Amino acid sequence: AQRVTQPEKLLSVFKGAPVELKCNYSYSGSPELFWYVQYSRQRLQLLLRHISRESIKGFTADLNKGETSFHLKKPFAQEEDSAMYYCALRSGGGSNYKLTFGKGTLLTVNP
Amino acid sequence: GAGVSQTPSNKVTEKGKYVELRCDPISGHTALYWYRQSLGQGPEFLIYFQGTGAADDSGLPNDRFFAVRPEGSVSTLKIQRTERGDSAVYLCASSLGGQNTEAFFGQGTRLTVV
Repeated sequence: AQRVTQPEKLLSVFKGAPVELKCNYSYSGSPELFWYVQYSRQRLQLLLRHISRESIKGFTADLNKGETSFHLKKPFAQEEDSAMYYCALRSGGGSNYKLTFGKGTLLTVNP
Repeated sequence: GAGVSQTPSNKVTEKGKYVELRCDPISGHTALYWYRQSLGQGPEFLIYFQGTGAADDSGLPNDRFFAVRPEGSVSTLKIQRTERGDSAVYLCASSLGGQNTEAFFGQGTRLTVV
């Protein structure tokens, strides 16, 4: 069965510091990984997906199949990055976007 | 509407009662998903609709949970004989249904069973 692990419940950094949110997965098929973000009082929204290989709001994430990881990184954290971050793995086939989520990491960026 | 709409935003019910939660997807989205998020957890998949049919209901925890989407748009999640353990935020998401399309989430319905 698929599993997504986010080992840190809470992460606190100062503005301008680098940040890395860890995500490890377990899946027997070809993985498709995502990062979702939920800002205070807002709905869950997609931040980035590994197949796009893009940088969103300065965040990047690289899929490492050898280490089964998909860590989210940003070189210089901003206060507006404070939010709940969820790593997710797509396990549905075809057009099924069934996602398995980790428990989330609450990032706080202090001024 | 601009996004996925869920009603009600909050629902308090007594143990043993029946509840219905509604989801209005983004217009034109053929795929619809229900997730449940318990306190301190990430969202957990419940069911996936493609059009009117439930293509994957593997996440429904037991037969007290049922969902319908009769016209391929609005969906209703129905919970019978509610239990305190059903208390959670129920999230709905919709997408265009293609292989690489993004799923957009609603704001959720917070269900509290007392």
